[in-house]
Amino acid sequence: GENVEQHPSTLSVQEGDSAVIKCTYSDSASNYFPWYKQELGKGPQLIIDIRSNVGEKKDQRIAVTLNKTAKHFSLHITETQPEDSAVYFCAARGYSTLTFGKGTMLLVSP
Amino acid sequence: ETGVTQTPRHLVMGMTNKKSLKCEQHLGHNAMYWYKQSAKKPLELMFVYNFKEQTENNSVPSRFSPECPNSSHLFLHLHTLQPEDSALYLCASRDDSSYEQYFGPGTRLTVT
Repeated sequence: GENVEQHPSTLSVQEGDSAVIKCTYSDSASNYFPWYKQELGKGPQLIIDIRSNVGEKKDQRIAVTLNKTAKHFSLHITETQPEDSAVYFCAARGYSTLTFGKGTMLLVSP
Repeated sequence: ETGVTQTPRHLVMGMTNKKSLKCEQHLGHNAMYWYKQSAKKPLELMFVYNFKEQTENNSVPSRFSPECPNSSHLFLHLHTLQPEDSALYLCASRDDSSYEQYFGPGTRLTVT
């Protein structure tokens, strides 16, 4: 089955800096890669996703890149703000279900 | 959070108790999921329902019993749980025409 590795497990940045979270996947048939943000006491919230026929997607301060050859994808957050502090999960969809990474705790200091 | 709701938000139960978790989605979706979220582990898929039919059981112990009476409601019946079953239980839903899954806020379960 699919295996998703996510790094780093924790990331601390200063407000205004950029943050990058990276994931690798094992199943070359995977075709959908979402990113979720989970704040304390809440469920994961979908923030951006990318399909395998696209190399990059951007939504305001958030962007995702996908390298199908290398089987890795990354989340980029620019101009980070304290409210970006949360746990971020990547996932890959193989045949029919999502496989998640272990999560990255992002801490943005004012 | 109004798209997918879960009750209760917190539950403490003994190992001999029987309880149920409830999930309701107001998005008109036809697929619903139960996930288990434990500290420092990836989300673990437990069950998938499509149009009320169970399409996936990810080798979940029989002390967890799902029920999907219609496309909007999903239950997880719990009995004789173990302390290691303590976790956040998340419900999600998806429309069949899309890959996007939407999560509820979860039920924080503690087994004593």
